[in-house]
Amino acid sequence: EPEVTQTPSHQVTQMGQEVILRCVPISNHLYFYWYRQILGQKVEFLVSFYNNEISEKSEIFDDQFSVERPDGSNFTLKIRSTKLEDSAMYFCASSGGGTGEGYTFGSGTRLTVV
Amino acid sequence: QKEVEQDPGPLSVPEGAIVSLNCTYSNSAFQYFMWYRQYSRKGPELLMYTYSSGNKEDGRFTAQVDKSSKYISLFIRDSQPSDSATYLCAGYNQGGKLIFGQGTELSVKP
Repeated sequence: EPEVTQTPSHQVTQMGQEVILRCVPISNHLYFYWYRQILGQKVEFLVSFYNNEISEKSEIFDDQFSVERPDGSNFTLKIRSTKLEDSAMYFCASSGGGTGEGYTFGSGTRLTVV
Repeated sequence: QKEVEQDPGPLSVPEGAIVSLNCTYSNSAFQYFMWYRQYSRKGPELLMYTYSSGNKEDGRFTAQVDKSSKYISLFIRDSQPSDSATYLCAGYNQGGKLIFGQGTELSVKP
């Protein structure tokens, strides 16, 4: 079964450092997303991406965050200057169409900011 | 008011029990509803996807949507210890954003 692949599975970084979280969405999907889940809290939407541009972003997704699809297969989330409160699980997801059918999540990257 | 509300539990049932998980939502723009299962420190895994009011069945799982009362449910028949996980309901509109509930932690005891 097709899956969304995320790397690394766990990243530890010092406060103020930049991190790049990587995702390989399902190959024929067109819509890409990032979500995050702080420990013990709900899964929260960060950003959606379609046709090489951001289609929607949440209030969490401020100027320290950016997304990119540098080639035909990868989708990345960059956090420019990490803060302690950025520590969370970050999930990438992709879907094939605008109805959300087949909306599939990766296993996540656990980001720990120290 | 939160867009999707879900009792976080925890909910503990004996093996073989019927489990009922429920959510309410406030956003009338939601057109689709999903149920995801999440194991500890793993990504959400899609269980059920529904569009219209009514029931949808898949094996031991039944999803129910009542748009008039903005109420969604997931029923698990003959629950198994392997069903122990957190169950997340979510609403989706054509903007592409999923709005999740808090998740209900379920434990099925052998």
